[in-house]
Amino acid sequence: EPEVTQTPSHQVTQMGQEVILRCVPISNHLYFYWYRQILGQKVEFLVSFYNNEISEKSEIFDDQFSVERPDGSNFTLKIRSTKLEDSAMYFCASSSGENIQYFGAGTRLSVL
Amino acid sequence: AQRVTQPEKLLSVFKGAPVELKCNYSYSGSPELFWYVQYSRQRLQLLLRHISRESIKGFTADLNKGETSFHLKKPFAQEEDSAMYYCALRMERSNDYKLSFGAGTTVTVRA
Repeated sequence: EPEVTQTPSHQVTQMGQEVILRCVPISNHLYFYWYRQILGQKVEFLVSFYNNEISEKSEIFDDQFSVERPDGSNFTLKIRSTKLEDSAMYFCASSSGENIQYFGAGTRLSVL
Repeated sequence: AQRVTQPEKLLSVFKGAPVELKCNYSYSGSPELFWYVQYSRQRLQLLLRHISRESIKGFTADLNKGETSFHLKKPFAQEEDSAMYYCALRMERSNDYKLSFGAGTTVTVRA
């Protein structure tokens, strides 16, 4: 069964550094999403992406965040200058429109 | 704005006992409701969606628009049902597919 894959599984970085989280969505999916889950809190929507542009973003997704689909298979989330409060589990998901969203296993980001 | 509430953070039941996970939502339109499950060390995966009206792994959930609820039920819990369960809502707008999640309920089924 096809899966959404995310790399790395754990990323440790220093505060102020840039990080790029990578995702390979399911190949025939057209809609891509990033969510995050701070430890002990709920899963929160960050951004959705369709047709090579952001279709919606939450108030969490400020100027420090960006997304890109650089090569038709990868979908990346970049955080320009990480803060301590960016430490969380980041989940990528993909869907074929209004159908089910399939989630990756997540990347745990630890900002020191 | 839409909101999903799961009032129980933890739920512990004995094997063979019924289990019910509560989910309430607030949204002025017609939402689509989902239950996602996360087993230990695994990814979030869809368990149920209300439009499917099917039973998966013995679980059922009925959307009650009057009570704005989408409670998840299973008559006889099994040890393999131990997991984190998330209720999620998607709004009816055609170009907005984002999911809004509840805080999750950790279910432990004891032998």
